[in-house]
Amino acid sequence: GQQVMQIPQYQHVQEGEDFTTYCNSSTTLSNIQWYKQRPGGHPVFLIQLVKSGEVKKQKRLTFQFGEAKKNSSLHITATQTTDVGTYFCAGLGANDYKLSFGAGTTVTVRA
Amino acid sequence: ETGVTQTPRHLVMGMTNKKSLKCEQHLGHNAMYWYKQSAKKPLELMFVYNFKEQTENNSVPSRFSPECPNSSHLFLHLHTLQPEDSALYLCASSQDSLAGSYEQYFGPGTRLTVT
Repeated sequence: GQQVMQIPQYQHVQEGEDFTTYCNSSTTLSNIQWYKQRPGGHPVFLIQLVKSGEVKKQKRLTFQFGEAKKNSSLHITATQTTDVGTYFCAGLGANDYKLSFGAGTTVTVRA
Repeated sequence: ETGVTQTPRHLVMGMTNKKSLKCEQHLGHNAMYWYKQSAKKPLELMFVYNFKEQTENNSVPSRFSPECPNSSHLFLHLHTLQPEDSALYLCASSQDSLAGSYEQYFGPGTRLTVT
């Protein structure tokens, strides 16, 4: 089955800086979703990308789906303390329609 | 509040106990899911139900037994668990069960500790 890898596992960011987390699949994906889980909380849906090369923005968050539909990225600009948490990607396999979550990138912010 | 509730929020049980986790969704969704979240591991999809029918069982040991009496309620019956089963168990729901095609709404989870 497919594997979805996320890097980095941990991201320590100075408040106000930008960072990017990456999601890579071993197989082609039908779509990819991103979720955010605050410390002690549960995953909350952020966005879904479906089209090759798709780019979507939510305020300071920019999500991209690769041209080959095997990778995705989440870029956060001007990081704030409210961005603390773990960001997961979840890819739906194009052939087997199995949903696989990445292990997540845990973000901490230095004020 | 996402419209998905789970009880209990915390559970400590011995290896010989039998307990059940409950999930209820108030969103009118047709699909419900059980996930296991262990430290430093990806979310593991355990079971998927669509219109009360189980559509996916990802090789979960038989000591975990799901039950879905209707589209709004989902249970996970636990018996003779092992310490490595200690984890956060998350319930989720979505409009339909092609997992990944629709956004999922997660409940707050049950933190399970097996002693």
